[in-house]
Amino acid sequence: RKEVEQDPGPFNVPEGATVAFNCTYSNSASQSFFWYRQDCRKEPKLLMSVYSSGNEDGRFTAQLNRASQYISLLIRDSKLSDSATYLCVVNIGNYGQNFVFGPGTRLSVLP
Amino acid sequence: NAGVTQTPKFQVLKTGQSMTLQCAQDMNHNSMYWYRQDPGMGLRLIYYSASEGTTDKGEVPNGYNVSRLNKREFSLRLESAAPSQTSVYFCASSEASSGSYEQYFGPGTRLTVT
Repeated sequence: RKEVEQDPGPFNVPEGATVAFNCTYSNSASQSFFWYRQDCRKEPKLLMSVYSSGNEDGRFTAQLNRASQYISLLIRDSKLSDSATYLCVVNIGNYGQNFVFGPGTRLSVLP
Repeated sequence: NAGVTQTPKFQVLKTGQSMTLQCAQDMNHNSMYWYRQDPGMGLRLIYYSASEGTTDKGEVPNGYNVSRLNKREFSLRLESAAPSQTSVYFCASSEASSGSYEQYFGPGTRLTVT
């Protein structure tokens, strides 16, 4: 089993739709969790960290379920500019050196 | 601030040739990383450097060497390139002491080995 797995995608949704991405991780010692966004042929950029209590940043909501080893990202009111690949990232180290990236889920928001 | 810079942006090598990928960051970060990204596989860690003067192997270190020249620079060397090393290479840095572990990535180097 891969350490970090994500919905295979791609997701094609109309503007204004709500879309949810799921991610599971296998290492119960994982300590911190993130969602990164990667545009086509560009570098990944941090979208948001994921906290145990769940957190929201505008139209984006991230949830963590440690018991089920599951992370989610919800995007409300999708914009064309949300089209990108979303990477689930899990850190299993103490000093940030063991980031494990999921393969990514591609989102296309259609006009 | 430039953030994380990488050179070159593109490179084509023949099998057996060597090259060094350069990376520099101007954010005074302690930790630096080299990843490769292949289709459908996500980023995989090649080597990382938790601080100046230290380097450690990641998930896929075979065929690569690294040098942490100083706090700013972290280079990746392919001694004898193979077609399996065709990939996009990303350098990243982070400041773990801030507690956030956010990684900042360079724009990547697209390497093709023929």
